[in-house]
Amino acid sequence: QQPVQSPQAVILREGEDAVINCSSSKALYSVHWYRQKHGEAPVFLMILLKGGEQKGHEKISASFNEKKQQSSLYLTASQLSYSGTYFCGTERKGYSGGSNYKLTFGKGTLLTVNP
Amino acid sequence: DGGITQSPKYLFRKEGQNVTLSCEQNLNHDAMYWYRQDPGQGLRLIYYSQIVNDFQKGDIAEGYSVSREKKESFPLTVTSAQKNPTAFYLCASTPWGPNEKLFFGSGTQLSVL
Repeated sequence: QQPVQSPQAVILREGEDAVINCSSSKALYSVHWYRQKHGEAPVFLMILLKGGEQKGHEKISASFNEKKQQSSLYLTASQLSYSGTYFCGTERKGYSGGSNYKLTFGKGTLLTVNP
Repeated sequence: DGGITQSPKYLFRKEGQNVTLSCEQNLNHDAMYWYRQDPGQGLRLIYYSQIVNDFQKGDIAEGYSVSREKKESFPLTVTSAQKNPTAFYLCASTPWGPNEKLFFGSGTQLSVL
């Protein structure tokens, strides 16, 4: 089952902030975030491993609420280079509580940053 | 430089034809994956392989086949049974284990003539 991302699309002016959400109906082992420019391969942003973990990458950070099976990606003071489609990928917990080693992606959030 | 090479970049398939997409990596990664991308659908897992001579079906394996005879190579065949093959296909690899980031190839755009 694909995780659900929201919103589907967002348009920003340079310097504005955005939040992209990712939720799953299954217990999660970890959450990955990737960004893809049109016609290119997705590029890795970060992995969140533990419930409550937060990570940062330049002005892009993320959090993972393991109990709620949700993750959020925060983009602050957006730049033109942030434009693209953002995907969350989720590793579900297997029977033993570890990862099932399959990364399932959401449908993506199209972010457009205008001057 | 290490990386993943997909070929060809563009591929056209005639009705009833099988076509094979190539994926080669020199990163010494154990696990390899094939994803299909359609507009608005995200990336959907077709097949994945964690070791040589072994592979598992993903979420949309019908109409596709794979082989993993060498660690470096994971070709995907789109068979005539796949009735809607037009999509962007991405190959990826990771070292073995959980929590490993995916390294993607540049993709193959497959279209039906």
